[in-house]
Amino acid sequence: DQQVKQNSPSLSVQEGRISILNCDYTNSMFDYFLWYKKYPAEGPTFLISISSIKDKNEDGRFTVFLNKSAKHLSLHIVPSQPGDSAVYFCAARDISSGSARQLTFGSGTQLTVLP
Amino acid sequence: NAGVMQNPRHLVRRRGQEARLRCSPMKGHSHVYWYRQLPEEGLKFMVYLQKENIIDESGMPKERFSAEFPKEGPSILRIQQVVRGDSAAYFCASSGPGDTQYFGPGTRLTVL
Repeated sequence: DQQVKQNSPSLSVQEGRISILNCDYTNSMFDYFLWYKKYPAEGPTFLISISSIKDKNEDGRFTVFLNKSAKHLSLHIVPSQPGDSAVYFCAARDISSGSARQLTFGSGTQLTVLP
Repeated sequence: NAGVMQNPRHLVRRRGQEARLRCSPMKGHSHVYWYRQLPEEGLKFMVYLQKENIIDESGMPKERFSAEFPKEGPSILRIQQVVRGDSAAYFCASSGPGDTQYFGPGTRLTVL
């Protein structure tokens, strides 16, 4: 049972345009969401996060939107750069889990930014 | 280097051997987490530790796997009698009191 779903395994975008990565979740007890970027043979790198009490958080070229009623969040990257090409993971924290600290990850979306 | 450190980066074991994976958290972080990533999948939570305490091991397989975070030294994830299905990337993360977990580069375990 996948509680965090990234339905697009891959996405290609032209350099300079906007990249939109999507994530859906099913667990209403998720209260904190994070996006990570991962290059091959490296660990995930934290990008941006959002608490469930907000609907938007912005950091430079990265903006995360949260729609709680739809149980959907998205990551916008604008403008996209070739160095943004990586796998992007959506993750969520479940406040009802044993420690309220474990993260549940989606399966990732491979973003390719074309020069 | 102020980041999360993991070693070894690559580990090859034969079936039945033991694997020991080490993780040093970021300076000032007292919370350590272990995750496993199988090929073509996302990361799966295994265990959450603080110094000398296992806080949440709900993601750990019931047998052969154990973890510790001693008062001194790195956190250790130990896999006894490895099997081929244990081949995966194992990532450690650490955090301070806040919510954001920062990941290390991972250990890629290959079981022959």
